[in-house]
Amino acid sequence: QQQVKQSPQSLIVQKGGIPIINCAYENTAFDYFPWYQQFPGKGPALLIAIRPDVSEKKEGRFTISFNKSAKQFSLHIMDSQPGDSATYFCAAISSGNTGKLIFGQGTTLQVKP
Amino acid sequence: NAGVTQTPKFRILKIGQSMTLQCAQDMNHNYMYWYRQDPGMGLKLIYYSVGAGITDKGEVPNGYNVSRSTTEDFPLRLELAAPSQTSVYFCASSYGQGYSNQPQHFGDGTRLSIL
Repeated sequence: QQQVKQSPQSLIVQKGGIPIINCAYENTAFDYFPWYQQFPGKGPALLIAIRPDVSEKKEGRFTISFNKSAKQFSLHIMDSQPGDSATYFCAAISSGNTGKLIFGQGTTLQVKP
Repeated sequence: NAGVTQTPKFRILKIGQSMTLQCAQDMNHNYMYWYRQDPGMGLKLIYYSVGAGITDKGEVPNGYNVSRSTTEDFPLRLELAAPSQTSVYFCASSYGQGYSNQPQHFGDGTRLSIL
């Protein structure tokens, strides 16, 4: 199975809250899991990525948690700000699959002031 | 440092018309990709190329064609536009296929409506 399932579809939090976006996959050949952030009218841009040999990765206020046995990974945004309002996509890729990213369905996040 | 440049940004087509979406990158990337983005559906791969002269189908190739005559350019052609092809189209590029050669760099998209 090539699917990556992402939830929730939309999310509204207050400034300072910690939104959590979840993704699940089935293909155990995936070996790289990036998250992309997309602002309206723009293309997706890489936010943070993780490989399955680590359980957590932090970059600034963004953290990926990875559970290899459950085939799940999630994005946490600490101290969220209105500027974080965007659509977030999880993705997965298998190095042996010619670089073809498989994207989740996307989560639209709104951070209220 | 332009990155990935897509033209046009917006276009309205009539059913049955044809057009070419342009994509150019200045990062000397070998790999280039075309995606379409539909609401609530994420991004779906249409075609990709691993180098000049080499292209292959992605997940949703029907109704589209591509060519890759140079490293820099990867145009996407719609031959007979259909309403189902109304979407936002993104071009992306990456240096290689392994995780160390990511990420994919995306252009800002072409918003296409077919009426």
